[in-house]
This record gives sequence, C-alpha cells and structure tokens, in this order.
Amino acid sequence: DTGVSQDPRHKITKRGQNVTFRCDPISEHNRLYWYRQTLGQGPEFLTYFQNEAQLEKSRLLSDRFSAERPKGSFSTLEIQRTEQGDSAMYLCASSPQYEQYFGPGTRLTVT
Amino acid sequence: DQQVKQNSPSLSVQEGRISILNCDYTNSMFDYFLWYKKYPAEGPTFLISISSIKDKNEDGRFTVFLNKSAKHLSLHIVPSQPGDSAVYFCAGAETSGSRLTFGEGTQLTVNP
Repeated sequence: DTGVSQDPRHKITKRGQNVTFRCDPISEHNRLYWYRQTLGQGPEFLTYFQNEAQLEKSRLLSDRFSAERPKGSFSTLEIQRTEQGDSAMYLCASSPQYEQYFGPGTRLTVT
Repeated sequence: DQQVKQNSPSLSVQEGRISILNCDYTNSMFDYFLWYKKYPAEGPTFLISISSIKDKNEDGRFTVFLNKSAKHLSLHIVPSQPGDSAVYFCAGAETSGSRLTFGEGTQLTVNP
C-alpha cells in the first residue's frame, strides 16, 4: 500500500515541550497539505506545499508552528512550546489535483 | 465564518434503505465539492466528488447532487449497508489544488 503515512500515530507531551510530526505523501503527488481536527469538527486547513514551496498558511498557524518540505518529498510539522489547546488530530494529505488523500493522522495530547 | 455547514449531526437508517446526507455552503467561489468518510482513529477517506459545472455524479452506490442556485449538495447512498456507518464530511475547493473547507460532519448509523 503506497498511501499517505504519518509518524508518530500518537504523541503525548507536556505543556511547553516541542513536538515534530512527519508525513510521507503518495510519491507521485506534488501537493501536500496539513490539517488539524478537533472533536466534533471537520478538518481545518493549516498549510499547503507544492513541491518544496510553501504556498499558503492559515491564520490558525501561529508563530509556534512551522512546516517544511525539503526536496519536495516528505514534510515535517513542528509545534514549539506546546499548549493544551494544541491537543488535536493532525492530518496530512497529498493530491494530484482536486482530490486529497489523507493519512491516518497523528493524535497529539498536551498535558 | 462557517462556509460549509452540515446541519444534521447524526442520521440513522435501516440497512437496504437510502441514506441522504446534506450540505450547504456560502462561498460562491467553490469550484469543486468532495465527500469524505471517516472511521474513528483513521484519516478521512475520499468517496466522491463533483465539479460545479455538473449537477450529478454517480459512482456505484454513491450519488452526489449539486444545486448551485440553492448552494446545496447532497450525498445519496443506496442501498445503505452497516459498513457505511461512519462520519461523513462534505468539503469545497475554490480551485484545483487549493485548500479544502470542510463541514462539521454527519454521523451515519446504518442498522442491520
């Protein structure tokens, strides 16, 4: 199966710590997206890459959040100085055109 | 600003009957609409999509209808099966490759 993969699947961290998540997209997709989902809500857009270029960032993405996609392959999402409000499911998706294909997500719990 | 709304948090139907999930949107710039299904602890799975220049798209048991004048779309599943029980999200996109804007989701339960 060559779908989107994310690592880790679960992360528990203490408030104030930094965390980093990884996403490996479907290999032939040049677009990669990050979303965040909280309970009872749909996924909310965070940021988007086309190849290695970060083309769009949401207002939701505070200065504590940074994302990279070196060489246009895998991507990382880092959250610095985590807060309890950062607890959510972080979803990565890749796309050839309109349809986006999601990974299983990383569940972050900030204690 | 909730650009995509799914007003029914839940829907329960009997196996074999039709499931109809509804979605309303406010953003006239949406060019493409998609439906996703999500099981607990998994990422959303793409189901079916429709371009704004069409009013219907069908794929097996799934049909999506778009009414642009009413800014409304619906997903029909027929016949419904217990394995269809999941949360269904509709989403809109302004252009190819742009962000998706999701609704809040509808929990579908199909009873045997």
